[in-house]
Amino acid sequence: QVQLVESGGGVVQPGGSLRLSCAASGFTFSSYGMHWVRQAPGKGLEWVAFIRYDGSNKYYADSVKGRFTISRDNSKNTLYLQMNSLRAEDTAVYYCAKDYLFYGDYGSFYFDYWGQGTLVTVSS
Amino acid sequence: NFMLTQPHSVSESPGKTVTISCTGSSGSIASNYVQWYQQRPGSAPTTVIYEDNQRPSGVPDRFSGSIDSSSNSASLTISGLKTEDEADYYCQSYDSSNHGGVFGGGTKLTVL
Repeated sequence: QVQLVESGGGVVQPGGSLRLSCAASGFTFSSYGMHWVRQAPGKGLEWVAFIRYDGSNKYYADSVKGRFTISRDNSKNTLYLQMNSLRAEDTAVYYCAKDYLFYGDYGSFYFDYWGQGTLVTVSS
Repeated sequence: NFMLTQPHSVSESPGKTVTISCTGSSGSIASNYVQWYQQRPGSAPTTVIYEDNQRPSGVPDRFSGSIDSSSNSASLTISGLKTEDEADYYCQSYDSSNHGGVFGGGTKLTVL
Protein backbone atom coordinates (compact mmCIF):
# COMPACT_ATOMS: atom_id res chain seq x y z
CA GLN A 1 0.00 0.00 0.00
CA VAL A 2 1.09 3.57 -0.61
CA GLN A 3 2.94 5.14 2.29
CA LEU A 4 4.28 8.66 2.59
CA VAL A 5 6.22 9.56 5.72
CA GLU A 6 7.34 13.14 6.31
CA SER A 7 10.17 14.16 8.61
CA GLY A 8 12.36 17.15 9.36
CA GLY A 9 9.87 19.47 11.02
CA GLY A 10 10.68 21.42 14.15
CA VAL A 11 11.11 24.86 15.65
CA VAL A 12 13.18 27.42 13.74
CA GLN A 13 13.78 31.13 14.18
CA PRO A 14 12.50 33.67 11.66
CA GLY A 15 14.96 33.95 8.79
CA GLY A 16 16.19 30.42 9.37
CA SER A 17 16.16 27.34 7.16
CA LEU A 18 14.79 23.83 7.36
CA ARG A 19 14.69 20.83 5.01
CA LEU A 20 11.73 18.49 5.01
CA SER A 21 11.84 14.94 3.66
CA CYS A 22 9.11 12.58 2.53
CA ALA A 23 9.92 8.87 2.22
CA ALA A 24 7.68 7.10 -0.26
CA SER A 25 6.87 3.40 -0.60
CA GLY A 26 4.24 1.11 -2.07
CA PHE A 27 4.29 2.61 -5.57
CA THR A 28 6.77 3.41 -8.35
CA PHE A 29 7.93 6.77 -7.01
CA SER A 30 9.82 7.74 -10.17
CA SER A 31 6.61 7.56 -12.24
CA TYR A 32 4.54 10.16 -10.36
CA GLY A 33 4.65 13.85 -9.70
CA MET A 34 4.65 14.91 -6.08
CA HIS A 35 3.37 17.89 -4.10
CA TRP A 36 3.78 19.67 -0.81
CA VAL A 37 0.62 21.05 0.83
CA ARG A 38 0.54 22.91 4.15
CA GLN A 39 -2.00 23.78 6.80
CA ALA A 40 -1.48 26.54 9.34
CA PRO A 41 -2.87 25.82 12.83
CA GLY A 42 -6.66 26.03 12.75
CA LYS A 43 -6.64 27.11 9.09
CA GLY A 44 -7.35 25.59 5.70
CA LEU A 45 -5.17 23.74 3.21
CA GLU A 46 -2.70 25.58 0.98
CA TRP A 47 -0.88 24.04 -1.96
CA VAL A 48 2.85 24.82 -1.81
CA ALA A 49 4.77 23.15 -4.63
CA PHE A 50 4.80 20.46 -7.34
CA ILE A 51 7.62 18.51 -8.97
CA ARG A 52 7.33 16.37 -12.09
CA TYR A 53 8.10 12.65 -11.89
CA ASP A 54 11.62 13.21 -13.25
CA GLY A 55 12.25 16.51 -11.48
CA SER A 56 12.32 18.56 -14.68
CA ASN A 57 9.23 20.73 -13.97
CA LYS A 58 8.61 22.54 -10.72
CA TYR A 59 5.83 24.94 -9.74
CA TYR A 60 5.42 27.02 -6.59
CA ALA A 61 2.76 29.02 -4.80
CA ASP A 62 3.44 32.77 -4.92
CA SER A 63 3.71 32.79 -1.11
CA VAL A 64 6.86 30.62 -1.18
CA LYS A 65 8.39 31.38 -4.59
CA GLY A 66 12.06 32.30 -4.30
CA ARG A 67 12.31 30.96 -0.73
CA PHE A 68 11.35 27.27 -1.00
CA THR A 69 12.79 24.63 -3.32
CA ILE A 70 11.19 21.29 -4.07
CA SER A 71 13.40 18.41 -5.19
CA ARG A 72 13.43 14.64 -5.34
CA ASP A 73 15.85 11.71 -5.36
CA ASN A 74 14.24 8.89 -7.29
CA SER A 75 17.06 6.51 -6.34
CA LYS A 76 16.07 6.99 -2.69
CA ASN A 77 12.28 7.28 -3.23
CA THR A 78 12.41 10.56 -1.35
CA LEU A 79 10.86 14.01 -1.84
CA TYR A 80 12.35 17.14 -0.28
CA LEU A 81 11.35 20.69 0.53
CA GLN A 82 14.17 23.13 1.29
CA MET A 83 12.73 26.12 3.13
CA ASN A 84 14.82 29.29 3.49
CA SER A 85 14.11 32.77 4.86
CA LEU A 86 11.34 31.33 7.00
CA ARG A 87 8.62 33.61 8.35
CA ALA A 88 6.09 33.27 11.14
CA GLU A 89 3.37 32.78 8.53
CA ASP A 90 5.13 29.62 7.30
CA THR A 91 4.18 27.90 10.57
CA ALA A 92 2.09 24.91 9.52
CA VAL A 93 1.79 21.18 9.20
CA TYR A 94 3.46 20.25 5.92
CA TYR A 95 2.05 17.27 4.01
CA CYS A 96 3.59 15.54 1.06
CA ALA A 97 1.06 14.22 -1.43
CA LYS A 98 1.24 12.00 -4.48
CA ASP A 99 -0.16 13.22 -7.80
CA TYR A 100 -2.76 10.95 -9.39
CA LEU A 101 -1.38 11.04 -12.92
CA PHE A 102 1.07 8.39 -14.14
CA TYR A 103 3.94 10.07 -16.01
CA GLY A 104 2.09 13.39 -16.00
CA ASP A 105 4.21 16.15 -17.52
CA TYR A 106 2.35 18.91 -15.65
CA GLY A 107 0.56 16.90 -12.98
CA SER A 108 -3.17 16.38 -12.54
CA PHE A 109 -3.24 18.33 -9.27
CA TYR A 110 -5.38 15.62 -7.76
CA PHE A 111 -3.68 14.51 -4.55
CA ASP A 112 -4.64 10.87 -4.20
CA TYR A 113 -2.42 9.92 -1.26
CA TRP A 114 -1.20 12.05 1.64
CA GLY A 115 1.34 11.60 4.38
CA GLN A 116 0.52 12.32 8.02
CA GLY A 117 2.39 15.61 8.00
CA THR A 118 5.25 17.23 9.88
CA LEU A 119 4.90 20.40 11.95
CA VAL A 120 7.09 23.42 11.25
CA THR A 121 7.02 26.22 13.80
CA VAL A 122 8.73 29.52 13.00
CA SER A 123 9.18 31.45 16.20
CA SER A 124 11.81 33.36 18.13
CA ASN B 1 -5.70 34.16 -9.55
CA PHE B 2 -8.47 31.60 -9.45
CA MET B 3 -10.18 31.18 -6.06
CA LEU B 4 -12.75 28.76 -4.65
CA THR B 5 -15.31 29.88 -2.06
CA GLN B 6 -17.10 27.53 0.34
CA PRO B 7 -19.54 28.18 3.18
CA HIS B 8 -17.75 28.24 6.51
CA SER B 9 -20.07 25.71 8.12
CA VAL B 10 -23.17 23.60 7.57
CA SER B 11 -25.16 21.40 9.90
CA GLU B 12 -27.79 18.75 9.45
CA SER B 13 -29.38 15.86 11.29
CA PRO B 14 -28.45 12.19 10.94
CA GLY B 15 -30.20 10.49 8.05
CA LYS B 16 -30.73 13.75 6.15
CA THR B 17 -29.01 15.06 3.04
CA VAL B 18 -26.59 18.00 2.93
CA THR B 19 -25.00 19.81 0.01
CA ILE B 20 -21.78 21.83 0.26
CA SER B 21 -21.11 24.35 -2.48
CA CYS B 22 -17.81 25.51 -3.96
CA THR B 23 -17.94 28.58 -6.21
CA GLY B 24 -15.22 29.57 -8.65
CA SER B 25 -14.08 33.19 -8.76
CA SER B 26 -13.50 33.58 -12.48
CA GLY B 27 -13.36 31.65 -15.70
CA SER B 28 -15.17 28.33 -15.86
CA ILE B 29 -15.01 25.91 -12.97
CA ALA B 30 -15.69 23.19 -15.52
CA SER B 31 -12.34 23.86 -17.22
CA ASN B 32 -10.45 21.80 -14.66
CA TYR B 33 -11.46 18.89 -12.47
CA VAL B 34 -12.67 19.48 -8.92
CA GLN B 35 -11.81 17.22 -6.02
CA TRP B 36 -13.33 17.01 -2.54
CA TYR B 37 -11.34 16.01 0.53
CA GLN B 38 -12.56 15.06 3.98
CA GLN B 39 -10.40 15.92 6.99
CA ARG B 40 -11.12 14.75 10.48
CA PRO B 41 -9.39 16.49 13.45
CA GLY B 42 -5.75 15.52 13.77
CA SER B 43 -5.72 13.54 10.52
CA ALA B 44 -4.55 14.06 6.98
CA PRO B 45 -7.13 14.75 4.27
CA THR B 46 -8.61 11.87 2.31
CA THR B 47 -10.43 11.97 -1.01
CA VAL B 48 -14.18 11.53 -1.17
CA ILE B 49 -14.67 12.78 -4.76
CA TYR B 50 -12.18 13.25 -7.59
CA GLU B 51 -12.52 14.44 -11.20
CA ASP B 52 -15.80 16.21 -10.39
CA ASN B 53 -17.91 13.14 -9.63
CA GLN B 54 -15.79 10.03 -9.22
CA ARG B 55 -15.62 8.13 -5.95
CA PRO B 56 -12.44 6.35 -4.87
CA SER B 57 -12.87 2.74 -3.90
CA GLY B 58 -14.05 2.47 -0.32
CA VAL B 59 -16.01 5.73 -0.33
CA PRO B 60 -19.73 4.98 0.07
CA ASP B 61 -22.14 6.00 -2.65
CA ARG B 62 -23.79 8.35 -0.14
CA PHE B 63 -21.14 10.80 -1.37
CA SER B 64 -21.63 12.39 -4.78
CA GLY B 65 -20.19 15.34 -6.68
CA SER B 66 -21.46 17.57 -9.45
CA ILE B 67 -20.65 20.67 -11.48
CA ASP B 68 -23.10 23.45 -12.34
CA SER B 69 -21.65 25.63 -15.09
CA SER B 70 -24.51 28.14 -14.87
CA SER B 71 -23.51 29.10 -11.32
CA ASN B 72 -19.80 28.31 -11.85
CA SER B 73 -19.88 26.03 -8.87
CA ALA B 74 -19.21 22.49 -7.74
CA SER B 75 -21.21 20.66 -5.11
CA LEU B 76 -20.63 17.79 -2.72
CA THR B 77 -23.79 16.02 -1.62
CA ILE B 78 -23.86 13.60 1.29
CA SER B 79 -27.04 11.62 1.77
CA GLY B 80 -28.10 9.45 4.70
CA LEU B 81 -25.86 11.49 7.01
CA LYS B 82 -24.01 9.64 9.74
CA THR B 83 -22.27 11.09 12.77
CA GLU B 84 -18.99 9.77 11.35
CA ASP B 85 -19.39 12.20 8.40
CA GLU B 86 -18.75 15.09 10.78
CA ALA B 87 -15.51 16.64 9.49
CA ASP B 88 -14.05 19.49 7.47
CA TYR B 89 -14.55 19.27 3.70
CA TYR B 90 -12.36 21.03 1.15
CA CYS B 91 -12.92 21.49 -2.56
CA GLN B 92 -9.80 21.73 -4.72
CA SER B 93 -8.92 22.39 -8.32
CA TYR B 94 -6.16 23.66 -10.58
CA ASP B 95 -5.33 27.25 -11.51
CA SER B 96 -4.03 27.07 -15.05
CA SER B 97 -3.01 30.75 -15.01
CA ASN B 98 -0.12 30.05 -12.66
CA HIS B 99 0.25 26.23 -12.72
CA GLY B 100 -0.92 25.98 -9.14
CA GLY B 101 -3.27 24.04 -6.94
CA VAL B 102 -6.13 25.91 -5.30
CA PHE B 103 -8.25 24.93 -2.31
CA GLY B 104 -11.52 26.31 -1.03
CA GLY B 105 -11.45 27.63 2.53
CA GLY B 106 -13.11 24.49 3.88
CA THR B 107 -16.56 23.75 5.30
CA LYS B 108 -17.12 22.35 8.77
CA LEU B 109 -19.92 19.79 8.65
CA THR B 110 -21.73 19.18 11.91
CA VAL B 111 -24.10 16.22 12.16
CA LEU B 112 -26.38 16.62 15.13
